[in-house]
Amino acid sequence: QVQLVQSGAEVKKPGASVKVSCKASGYDFTNYGISWVRQAPGQGLEWMGWISTYNGDTNYAQKVQGRVTMTTDTSTSTAYMEVRSLRPDDTAVFYCARAYSGSYHDSWGPGTLVTVSS
Amino acid sequence: SYVLTQPPSVSVAPGQTARISCGGNNIGSKSVHWYQQKPGQAPVVVVYDDSDRPSGIPERFSGSNSGNTATLTISWVEAGDEADYYCQVWDSSSDHYVFGSGTKVTV
Repeated sequence: QVQLVQSGAEVKKPGASVKVSCKASGYDFTNYGISWVRQAPGQGLEWMGWISTYNGDTNYAQKVQGRVTMTTDTSTSTAYMEVRSLRPDDTAVFYCARAYSGSYHDSWGPGTLVTVSS
Repeated sequence: SYVLTQPPSVSVAPGQTARISCGGNNIGSKSVHWYQQKPGQAPVVVVYDDSDRPSGIPERFSGSNSGNTATLTISWVEAGDEADYYCQVWDSSSDHYVFGSGTKVTV
């Protein structure tokens, strides 16, 4: 079955960077893109960006453009998202989700809590 | 950028019908997808492409989309349906996925 396994919770200081991983299994990794979605405490879902696992093309939300980098390692079927210059308001659960291109997200990882605090 | 508007909350009695709206400019021309998220859990798609249900999702969940409003309907609501619900579309003008603001359904 399709499974997305994410890396564990992180605590970072303001100004630091964090890199979250999402390891896929149960399907051909390069057949579907991966989206990253942020959810701040008590808030809604916010799409951050998408990466093609086929060729590495990326598309970022305006809000995070320049501060976020999404990559993949097809040899391990793993997607990564790095967020730089972390601020306290970046504290959130970050989800990876398998994306049908231009459509919907049918499988989600369990989420990774990133806490930014001095 | 494309904006999806949902009511913050909907309250419904068990056994009744809940209707959750998702408003957007000419949303009827787009495919709308709906997710259910329970506390502490990842979202789960309950309706995709306006009105299709993934396997394992009860027939009580249905969707429609026309004009400027898409609607998720939950029939014969159960206590276990209490959750946050989000609509989502693909905005082809920006190549971005867009989520609605979410609706908390209280049973």
